[in-house]
Amino acid sequence: NAGVTQTPKFQVLKTGQSMTLQCAQDMNHEYMSWYRQDPGMGLRLIHYSVGAGITDQGEVPNGYNVSRSTTEDFPLRLLSAAPSQTSVYFCASSYVPGTGGEQYFGPGTRLTVT
Amino acid sequence: TQLLEQSPQFLSIQEGENLTVYCNSSSVFSSLQWYRQEPGEGPVLLVTVVTGGEVKKLKRLTFQFGDARKDSSLHITAAQPGDTGLYLCAGNTGGGNKLTFGTGTQLKVEL
Repeated sequence: NAGVTQTPKFQVLKTGQSMTLQCAQDMNHEYMSWYRQDPGMGLRLIHYSVGAGITDQGEVPNGYNVSRSTTEDFPLRLLSAAPSQTSVYFCASSYVPGTGGEQYFGPGTRLTVT
Repeated sequence: TQLLEQSPQFLSIQEGENLTVYCNSSSVFSSLQWYRQEPGEGPVLLVTVVTGGEVKKLKRLTFQFGDARKDSSLHITAAQPGDTGLYLCAGNTGGGNKLTFGTGTQLKVEL
């Protein structure tokens, strides 16, 4: 099993550009989520999904969009990139109902917005 | 928004020393996890604690969940360079898989 995969690994965008961060998992997990990680702030939840066709907002959803058409994939779209979105983005998955919510993380995408 | 504060934020020690990392909140959690993250990688789960007062051991790492389930600690005995990394606690308030992550403790163990 590949686990949770993310592409691209690195990305540089100009302000106002849009892009999609890809996330896929092959563990048949129902729950998937996107986090951003900034220095000194831990991981903050952007959006999450409890199954195909169901998504909801997390702590910091503004400027991001998600959809979940299949169990395996959970892409994150940046609609109009801003410098404040410079961060490292992690996708994670877990079983539902969670055994305490343990999550399996992808390797991350490092995004820089200039 | 629940807040999980970790202390210390940074810790640099010599190989063989002991250390404790703390994770505190004013919220009650149904469970709490500890993750370790290495540079360029995603966090990896170390342990989950569920019951107030619970203590779990993972080789040289000892994890404790507070009696009131609002806080937790991670104690490392005889630290090794391989323990270097970012340690994150994460609390689950129940009713799903949403986690609130702590602010992180960056540990460096030198020879």
